[in-house]
Order: sequence, then structure tokens, then C-alpha cells
Amino acid sequence: AQRVTQPEKLLSVFKGAPVELKCNYSYSGSPELFWYVQYSRQRLQLLLRHISRESIKGFTADLNKGETSFHLKKPFAQEEDSAMYYCALSSPTGNQFYFGTGTSLTVIP
Amino acid sequence: ETGVTQSPTHLIKTRGQQVTLRCSSQSGHNTVSWYQQALGQGPQFIFQYYREEENGRGNFPPRFSGLQFPNYSSELNVNALELDDSALYLCASKREGPSAEQYFGPGTRLTVT
Repeated sequence: AQRVTQPEKLLSVFKGAPVELKCNYSYSGSPELFWYVQYSRQRLQLLLRHISRESIKGFTADLNKGETSFHLKKPFAQEEDSAMYYCALSSPTGNQFYFGTGTSLTVIP
Repeated sequence: ETGVTQSPTHLIKTRGQQVTLRCSSQSGHNTVSWYQQALGQGPQFIFQYYREEENGRGNFPPRFSGLQFPNYSSELNVNALELDDSALYLCASKREGPSAEQYFGPGTRLTVT
């Protein structure tokens, strides 16, 4: 069955510390992987997508097909990174989507 | 560029009733998806419309239906409302393609009593 798993509902780190938000997926095929973020009182928005292989706001995510993981990382957390983060995948044709349950990140000053 | 808008913001309905939620896509986007987000959960994909045709559906019963109009605005209709249908309903529009960015609306909060 297709599934996106984010094992941590809550994650707290100190400002300046590294942060890693875990995401594992189950999908038969080659999905597209995304991280979406929702800041307080804002809409859900795209943070980054695997296909772009870009770093956004200092965040990167590496797709590990062997472990079916797409963990989000940042070497030095900032207070403005506090938000809800969702890992998501879409089918290769882009007509099916699956979101994880989200991880609430708090960066402690 | 106009963002995705949804109406109404909040809605209260009684079990067994029917409801229609509306979404206006971002300019230039021909694809819209609808999601249900229960409290404490991630968005769950309901279905997607591309050029007025449903082209993808999640694990939701047929009483969840939709429409997309030539101007790419869309509707989500839910018949025979159940208490478990209480949730935030999100729509998201994008250009075609699997890796295209989805732009989300603010959501409609539906409460079924």
C-alpha cells in the first residue's frame, strides 16, 4: 500500500543545532517526493522537491531509494524554521498524492 | 498573480445533509486537487481534476464528488454528510505535470453535527 510515514509528531532543537526530519515512504514505482511546510497562520506551501535537487532556506533532502527515505536536513536551525513540515509523494503521472502526518518543529532560542 | 481562494471559510452542517465547497484556482493553473485534513493529521487526497475531468482519486466513497469549470474554478460536493466528515478541506491548484508545485488555498472548515 502507498504510504508516507513521518515517525516524529513533535521535534524540538536548539537554535544553531542541526535538524533532521525523517520521512519514509512505501510506493510501488518511482514517485516524486516533496516537502511542504506550514508556518503559523499561513497556508501549506512547497519547501522543496526532489527533482529540483535544490537547497531552500538552508534545507536539503536526499532521496534514498534503497531505504525508501527522503529525510529533510538543515545544518543550523533558526527560530524562523519553527513550523509544521509534511513529507509528500505524488505518483509518476502526478494524479495521486500522499501526505505524511506531519512533524511539528520547534526551534528553541 | 491571484492566489488560490476558497469559500466559505467555515460551515456547519447537520448529519445527512449535502454541502458544496468552492475553490478558485491560481491563474494559469489547469489542475486542481482536493484534500481532507482531519485534526492532527496530514492532508488526505480526495481527487484531482485536469481540464474538467477527474483524473485521479483517493480512497474516498462516491458521495464525495467534484466539478471543474472551464475557468478552472472547482467544487467539492459531499452528500449524506457523516460526523467523520468534519475536517478542514483544502484545494490546491497547479500546472500539469507530476513535479509541478501545488499552491494551496486557506481551506474551508466543515463541522458536521
